[in-house]
Amino acid sequence: DIQMTQSPSSLPASLGDRVSLTCRASEAISNYLNWYQQQAGKAPRLLIHAASKLHSGVPSRFSASGSATDFTLVISSLQPEDFATYYCQQSYRIPWTFGPGTKVEV
Amino acid sequence: EEQLVESGGGLVQPGGSLRLSCEASGFRFNTYDIQWVRQVREKGLEWVATSGSSGDTHYQRSVRGRFSLFRESFDNSLFLQMNSLRAEDSAVYYCARAIYSSSGYYFDLWGRGTVVTVSS
Repeated sequence: DIQMTQSPSSLPASLGDRVSLTCRASEAISNYLNWYQQQAGKAPRLLIHAASKLHSGVPSRFSASGSATDFTLVISSLQPEDFATYYCQQSYRIPWTFGPGTKVEV
Repeated sequence: EEQLVESGGGLVQPGGSLRLSCEASGFRFNTYDIQWVRQVREKGLEWVATSGSSGDTHYQRSVRGRFSLFRESFDNSLFLQMNSLRAEDSAVYYCARAIYSSSGYYFDLWGRGTVVTVSS
């Protein structure tokens, strides 16, 4: 199985901050990497697919990059609704696997 | 409005069974893969199973042989039959629609989840 890791596990931040979250795959997955946001008590929400493509309706302050094994999600200016947990997920090979998440918190 | 709604969760004893439902509305259900993803309380996400639009199914190793997927096309529903349940199956179970395109394979629509608790 492809193992996904994320760092940091917790990211203290303030409104307006630019933050960068990292995801790493245990083997090369090309650009088959998706990012999801999960607010407390809610279902996950797709932010980014194919490593860098912004999903419809997602604000432009979110951006992402990477390929092969190393990926990054950037939030350019944190808004109140962005304090949440972010998961990366590989869709290169079944079983689809998620990273353990990065919690962006105040 | 495109929507997925899960139901069927509850409290069950170890070794027991449950059938979860995922009802779709607002889109052509039969043309999409549908996933089940679970989340143990306060923990991360784990893919459980996929029901492919062409009838194929795939399962996480830990549930293979115990869980099975069924589609009822006439009412746009997907069922996850869970047998021989274990305490470690306790989680919130989400169903999610998958998109397969030139931009990859990703889960773009999620339900709100249904809670499964396996305990004596």
